[in-house]
Amino acid sequence: DTGVSQDPRHKITKRGQNVTFRCDPISEHNRLYWYRQTLGQGPEFLTYFQNEAQLEKSRLLSDRFSAERPKGSFSTLEIQRTEQGDSAMYLCASSLEQNQPQHFGDGTRLSIL
Amino acid sequence: GQSLEQPSEVTAVEGAIVQINCTYQTSGFYGLSWYQQHDGGAPTFLSYNALDGLEETGRFSSFLSRSDSYGYLLLQELQMKDSASYFCAVRPNAGNMLTFGGGTRLMVKP
Repeated sequence: DTGVSQDPRHKITKRGQNVTFRCDPISEHNRLYWYRQTLGQGPEFLTYFQNEAQLEKSRLLSDRFSAERPKGSFSTLEIQRTEQGDSAMYLCASSLEQNQPQHFGDGTRLSIL
Repeated sequence: GQSLEQPSEVTAVEGAIVQINCTYQTSGFYGLSWYQQHDGGAPTFLSYNALDGLEETGRFSSFLSRSDSYGYLLLQELQMKDSASYFCAVRPNAGNMLTFGGGTRLMVKP
């Protein structure tokens, strides 16, 4: 069990640029979640995958955001035309079953200049 | 929808016991979870209450009362390393995501 891995740890970019983050879940976990966390707040749900199927999306996930999990293993989260308000920590989590604990990665901290 | 309320900050001394409360308004959920998060780190799972009552894991215990819409995390024999943010979270009946409270920042002093 190597834990959930996220890359990069930090991303600084100019407003209007596109960014892509990667998440590698714990290997046997078929459920994968993306959350966003701003300073002093709890994580907010963005989207959920079961294997390669994206089954839930939050209203927070505007059309500038897209997530994929093409082979049911790693996942990517892309933000197009980034805005100042996108600055946050983007967390990925995975779980084995629906009622099992979600295990989080260290996150990708996005800063928009 | 779901709404979870926690105190924003708690301070305690090393060796003491501290209780972090979580009150919620929700239409239905599977259970109450607790996560610990150190500055710059990942949320780490601590405890889960599927049913009412007390769950004990070492120095940490968690309690749930659905009839009172209330839960708490109890930390005993506090250590400096326990200084962190603590979040309660629920998974609603109608979804797979976790809904988190705003978090409680615990500061342990010598």
